[in-house]
Amino acid sequence: KNEVEQSPQNLTAQEGEFITINCSYSVGISALHWLQQHPGGGIVSLFMLSSGKKKHGRLIATINIQEKHSSLHITASHPRDSAVYICAAGTGNQFYFGTGTSLTVIP
Amino acid sequence: DGGITQSPKYLFRKEGQNVTLSCEQNLNHDAMYWYRQDPGQGLRLIYYSQIVNDFQKGDIAEGYSVSREKKESFPLTVTSAQKNPTAFYLCASSMSWANEKLFFGSGTQLSVL
Repeated sequence: KNEVEQSPQNLTAQEGEFITINCSYSVGISALHWLQQHPGGGIVSLFMLSSGKKKHGRLIATINIQEKHSSLHITASHPRDSAVYICAAGTGNQFYFGTGTSLTVIP
Repeated sequence: DGGITQSPKYLFRKEGQNVTLSCEQNLNHDAMYWYRQDPGQGLRLIYYSQIVNDFQKGDIAEGYSVSREKKESFPLTVTSAQKNPTAFYLCASSMSWANEKLFFGSGTQLSVL
């Protein structure tokens, strides 16, 4: 069993839809990252969370420490949101990475 | 612009050959990391460095070596001892080793000829 599990593995949405990607982890953590990987491979850090909720534009990330669960929400999805979204949970320099959720937003 | 530069973008290795992947950052970050990404798997930590002149093995260090002689540079050598080197390699950095935002490079795809 992986320390970090993401769901769904693949997701296709129509432009404008509300999207949720889930992340569950089994290790003790002090921080959780949501990362975005575009075709070509470069990764961008979207959020770093240790509690509660963060919002940046159309993206919202929440974390429930007791339930060891985090969600990434995208409101009013757009084709440019198409990417792989990766959850990473850990402490210090030891992070465990999920296998990613591949999102395709269709115009 | 500040960031992390990885080169080359694509690299081919012959049997028995060592190859070196470059990672340079101008963010003045103390901590740097090398990850390996395989299809269908999460990123796995190869080596990390908390500060210049220091580095530690990650989860899959066998067949790899690193150096950290300068704060801004953290090259990764894939040695001939790494029997399955084909993967996408990502370099990252953070201001310090503890719970800081990670910045990633654009990656190097290594393939075996």
